[in-house]
Amino acid sequence: QVQLQESGPGLVKPSQTLSLTCTVSGGSISSGSYYWSWIRQPAGKGLEWIGRIYTSGSTNYNPSLKSRVTISVDTSKNQFSLKLSSVTAADTAVYYCARDYGGNSLWDVWGQGTTVTVSS
Amino acid sequence: QSALTQPPSVSGSPGQSVTISCTGTSSDVGSYNRVSWYQQPPGTAPKLMIYEVSNRPSGVPDRFSGSKSGNTASLTISGLQAEDEADYYCSSYTSSSTPVFGGGTKLTVL
Repeated sequence: QVQLQESGPGLVKPSQTLSLTCTVSGGSISSGSYYWSWIRQPAGKGLEWIGRIYTSGSTNYNPSLKSRVTISVDTSKNQFSLKLSSVTAADTAVYYCARDYGGNSLWDVWGQGTTVTVSS
Repeated sequence: QSALTQPPSVSGSPGQSVTISCTGTSSDVGSYNRVSWYQQPPGTAPKLMIYEVSNRPSGVPDRFSGSKSGNTASLTISGLQAEDEADYYCSSYTSSSTPVFGGGTKLTVL
């Protein structure tokens, strides 16, 4: 049973870079036709897809965030990571990592989510 | 890419059926069968309920069904139960090779 767990600072200052890591357990991040995504949700609002990575290193990003987002993968640690630069209060949200089967916008496994607040 | 359009809220009594719509365009819902639905009770992570328009993952009750007509996808919940009360989100693959979500629908079981 594959499980995902987000980790990282819960508080980030404006203009700094938000960094989160998702650890995959119960299976190899390299096995199967899976992409690995980051999705966020501001309090009381809807879901927003941030981007995804395949274990080959190939990435796709939300056009609205593309200039500020970097997603990377470390197969040796069974982890993938998110960096979001130049953050503002609008980036305050619950951040989820999730497994996307075949890159088909089909997220079948989700982490529990981690809250990141952007504030000085 | 614009978000898919969902009604903000729907409601129904136990035992009844409710349908949640998800309207997109010919660049997303209308062109691809990669539409999925997610259930999110308060304070929890989303859960996949329907994928590829009408397929249910193992463990999802058959009270949940999905369909699509043109640019609009729909999630129908029959035999409504109190435990179905949650927010529901649709998503679709798009012609930009990226996914887009709907704005979400709050289901209230009366």
